[in-house]
Amino acid sequence: IAGITQAPTSQILAAGRRMTLRCTQDMRHNAMYWYRQDLGLGLRLIHYSNTAGTTGKGEVPDGYSVSRANTDDFPLTLASAVPSQTSVYFCASSESQGGEKLFFGSGTQLSVL
Amino acid sequence: DQQVKQNSPSLSVQEGRISILNCDYTNSMFDYFLWYKKYPAEGPTFLISISSIKDKNEDGRFTVFLNKSAKHLSLHIVPSQPGDSAVYFCAASSPNNAGNMLTFGGGTRLMVKP
Repeated sequence: IAGITQAPTSQILAAGRRMTLRCTQDMRHNAMYWYRQDLGLGLRLIHYSNTAGTTGKGEVPDGYSVSRANTDDFPLTLASAVPSQTSVYFCASSESQGGEKLFFGSGTQLSVL
Repeated sequence: DQQVKQNSPSLSVQEGRISILNCDYTNSMFDYFLWYKKYPAEGPTFLISISSIKDKNEDGRFTVFLNKSAKHLSLHIVPSQPGDSAVYFCAASSPNNAGNMLTFGGGTRLMVKP
């Protein structure tokens, strides 16, 4: 059982470059989320999707975009990376909107230089 | 301003003793609270939760206590084991949050010494 798969596991990126973090789930969960983890700040929600075809902004959406073309995939794109986007990124899913029990992927460590 | 705060960034406990991790919140609309555990290089995993209609929830060695008047919750681990060494995040949700998103605290690193 894979659950949530994120790729890549880590990446070093030059500022100004475009980057897409991939996330795939095999649990057929309706809701998916992208969080970033920063020391002392915990996990902050970037974008979410309650169901395929819909997305919404979280707490820190600026500089990021998402799409939800189908149930399983929820990629996160940084159009022009900046050093402040250096972070660990976690994709998560839940059975439904308001399903507070989240299942997380293993994360992507991104460094923007 | 953080709505969910974990004021202790780290905690060290001897194996077999009790670990108490604390969490404070400011938003009175929060009605559901969760604790997640995170090992290095892994994603957080759900540990235990509590609804605002309760003041205690127990699951094996883990108990969560909620004090609504003080806007405070705590996670008790008894007895603590070396395998409990991890970062613990508390989280809260309210029906008013867009997408019912969770608001996380900054985390507490628990170290259980053998």
